[in-house]
Amino acid sequence: GAVVSQHPSRVICKSGTSVKIECRSLDFQATTMFWYRQFPKQSLMLMATSNEGSKATYEQGVEKDKFLINHASLTLSTLTVTSAHPEDSSFYICSARDHRQGDTGELFFGEGSRLTVL
Amino acid sequence: GQNIDQPTEMTATEGAIVQINCTYQTSGFNGLFWYQQHAGEAPTFLSYNVLDGLEEKGRFSSFLSRSKGYSYLLLKELQMKDSASYLCAVMDSNYQLIWGAGTKLIIKP
Repeated sequence: GAVVSQHPSRVICKSGTSVKIECRSLDFQATTMFWYRQFPKQSLMLMATSNEGSKATYEQGVEKDKFLINHASLTLSTLTVTSAHPEDSSFYICSARDHRQGDTGELFFGEGSRLTVL
Repeated sequence: GQNIDQPTEMTATEGAIVQINCTYQTSGFNGLFWYQQHAGEAPTFLSYNVLDGLEEKGRFSSFLSRSKGYSYLLLKELQMKDSASYLCAVMDSNYQLIWGAGTKLIIKP
């Protein structure tokens, strides 16, 4: 099946620093990628939809200046958590859909990135 | 508003059968997904239903009734490795995925 690779899997940073998380579709092109955040024992919460070549669409309540998303190519999207604070500590997961399958295709998830802000 | 309901937690015995239910109320419907998520890991795809009926895939089956806004995931011959959270997600008319909170399944020997 299709593979989505996410890096890093774990990151620990100091408060006030910025962290970049990469999401790559390895064997398919993804015009759209999705970024989720998941707190312990809670469901996935969509943060933003990343569109190749255009600005990301952010969900209500998600600060676009804090969570910078760049989707520069059909296989790479990045999420940068700027000026991270301890409350940003969470499990961040990206997902992508093979563009050939249109809007209803299966979502493939990255391995997730666990961010801990000290 | 849009809503996905599924039980918070279920317990079953190794070798048995368990059914996880999901009811939904969404603005439009473009399919229902079931994902499995082990603790600390990303979700993995299990099934996709867009038409009414039962889809069988090995030990796992998924059922959909669009008129009732209802789906279930049936797991047979339970194994310890099936202990995980099972997420129900519905794609609405805007092709947005609406996620349920997940059902934590505990398998006991």
